Parts: sequence; structure tokens; C-alpha cells
Amino acid sequence: KQEVTQIPAALSVPEGENLVLNCSFTDSAIYNLQWFRQDPGKGLTSLLLIQSSQREQTSGRLNASLDKSSGRSTLYIAASQPGDSATYLCAVRGAGNMLTFGGGTRLMVKP
Amino acid sequence: GAGVSQTPSNKVTEKGKYVELRCDPISGHTALYWYRQSLGQGPEFLIYFQGTGAADDSGLPNDRFFAVRPEGSVSTLKIQRTERGDSAVYLCASSLKAGFPPYEQYFGPGTRLTVT
Repeated sequence: KQEVTQIPAALSVPEGENLVLNCSFTDSAIYNLQWFRQDPGKGLTSLLLIQSSQREQTSGRLNASLDKSSGRSTLYIAASQPGDSATYLCAVRGAGNMLTFGGGTRLMVKP
Repeated sequence: GAGVSQTPSNKVTEKGKYVELRCDPISGHTALYWYRQSLGQGPEFLIYFQGTGAADDSGLPNDRFFAVRPEGSVSTLKIQRTERGDSAVYLCASSLKAGFPPYEQYFGPGTRLTVT
């Protein structure tokens, strides 16, 4: 059974810092990995989707990498801003059609 | 265009009652997914539909949970004899199709269920 773990569970940083969120998964037989953002009381907003054949994806200040063989992904956020405060979730898509999610990293960026 | 919508946004019910949660997928999307997110955790898969049929219901926790999608569009998640442990946010997602290559899933805002 696929298990997804996110470290750290919570992170508080001052504005302007570059930061890295980590995601690991136990079964490397995945088709893609996706990073989501979730604001309190809201649904999920897709940030980046990396296909299994790709190594990384970039969108603005966000960069996500994927090392499928080692079961790891990182989300890099450059020059963090208070508006980046949210919970970040990673999810993998395996042989089934469902997504398997990690527990999330709660990020607080202080002005 | 319109995204995935879910109603109600919040539902408070008493232990033992029956509840229905509704999901309207993106128009034209044939696959529909239900997930449950307990406080402080990531979403967990419950069930998905391809068209009208439940293709995988392996995530439903017990037989108090049931979902339907009679016309291949709107879906209703039904919970009988609710328990306090059912309190969570129920998320719905849809994708153009199920299967491969994998199509991206788009999520609705969720229904927050509180069982008192």
C-alpha cells in the first residue's frame, strides 16, 4: 500500500526566506506527483504536477523536483511572502485512479 | 468555466442522523472522486465513478457510507447513522476521464460535516 509522508509537519519562517518542503513515498511505481495548496476552510489548489518521466516543474517562485527511484519530491519556494501561508499537500497517482496524499506541511510566513 | 461545486458547504447533524452530500462535477468530466479529510490530515480516498458506475469503492470505511451517480453527472454521498468520527471535510474531484494516461483531478471546495 502506498504511503506518503511530508516533513516537516509545520514550518514558520520570516518573510523573504527560501524554503524547501519534503515529500516521500514508499512505492516508486507512480505515474505522477502533484503539489497542492490548501487555505484554511478551502479546497485544494493545484500548484505543480510532475509526470513520472520528468525531473522537475517550475511555476513562478515555485519549483518542484521528483526523484522517482528514491521516492522523494521537494517543493522549493523562493523569496517567501506572507501570502504563501497555507498548508501544502503532495499527492501521488499510482496504478489506481485515486490520489494518495501526505499529511501536509503547514507553512506560516511572518511579515 | 464553472469548477466543481459542492453543497452544502457546511452541515451540522446529530449523532445517528442520515446525511447527503452533493457534488456537481465540471461539465463533460466523466470521472468523479470522493475524498475525506480529517482535521490536520491529508485527504483519503473513498470512492470513484467512471460514468454512472462505482469503479472503485475500496476506500469507503464501512457500510454506513454509500454513493451514487445515477445519470453520470451529479453525485451524492450518503452517510447513515452518523457517528462523531464521521466529522471531516468531504472533498469531491472530477477529471475528464479515469484510466490512462492519467487526467488531472480538479477539486471542489468541500463540505464540512460536523456530527454532534
